[in-house]
Amino acid sequence: EAQVTQNPRYLITVTGKKLTVTCSQNMNHEYMSWYRQDPGLGLRQIYYSMNVEVTDKGDVPEGYKVSRKEKRNFPLILESPSPNQTSLYFCASSDREATEAFFGQGTRLTVV
Amino acid sequence: DAKTTQPNSMESNEEEPVHLPCNHSTISGTDYIHWYRQLPSQGPEYVIHGLTSNVNNRMASLAIAEDRKSSTLILHRATLRDAAVYYCILRDANAGGTSYGKLTFGQGTILTVHP
Repeated sequence: EAQVTQNPRYLITVTGKKLTVTCSQNMNHEYMSWYRQDPGLGLRQIYYSMNVEVTDKGDVPEGYKVSRKEKRNFPLILESPSPNQTSLYFCASSDREATEAFFGQGTRLTVV
Repeated sequence: DAKTTQPNSMESNEEEPVHLPCNHSTISGTDYIHWYRQLPSQGPEYVIHGLTSNVNNRMASLAIAEDRKSSTLILHRATLRDAAVYYCILRDANAGGTSYGKLTFGQGTILTVHP
């Protein structure tokens, strides 16, 4: 079954404690991206990757890092989380033609 | 980026057809019209997309106006499981760089389905 898997689904952490949200896809897609969803602001792209070792900033990259060492994985790293990064995060992947994007189930992050 | 306009909310009864409108008056010739939906507590899910001609798949139909300035997503028989936020998104087929593959989500239409 084609899927994008994110872990964890829920996470509560404290300000400044580094964390990583993992994302893995099983469709051999070149393109992967991270979005955050906030009430009233909708879904906004954080970072994206067009292929292994190729990543770039989206619309709201501040406070986040990513890496793409393998085609299937695209982890999102928060080096020093702050309360304004409390949000619902989605990972997505699509093929080269980007005709259909597949989204993960989401990670609800709370930073206290 | 070309923008889309959708009603904030719509309601339907179960087993009735639903027509979800989307206006995109500034659409360019290379913009594809994509529809995604987001069910409660889930990630967005692809529904359908098209360029000029009407499209059908197992989930829905997409009717595109002749001038392409508007489109309508049609759910032929709404079920309770179709209650979701529906997003109409334009994606430039020739987009490169930071726009490649990017989906710009608006506020969408909240669809409520009554039993």
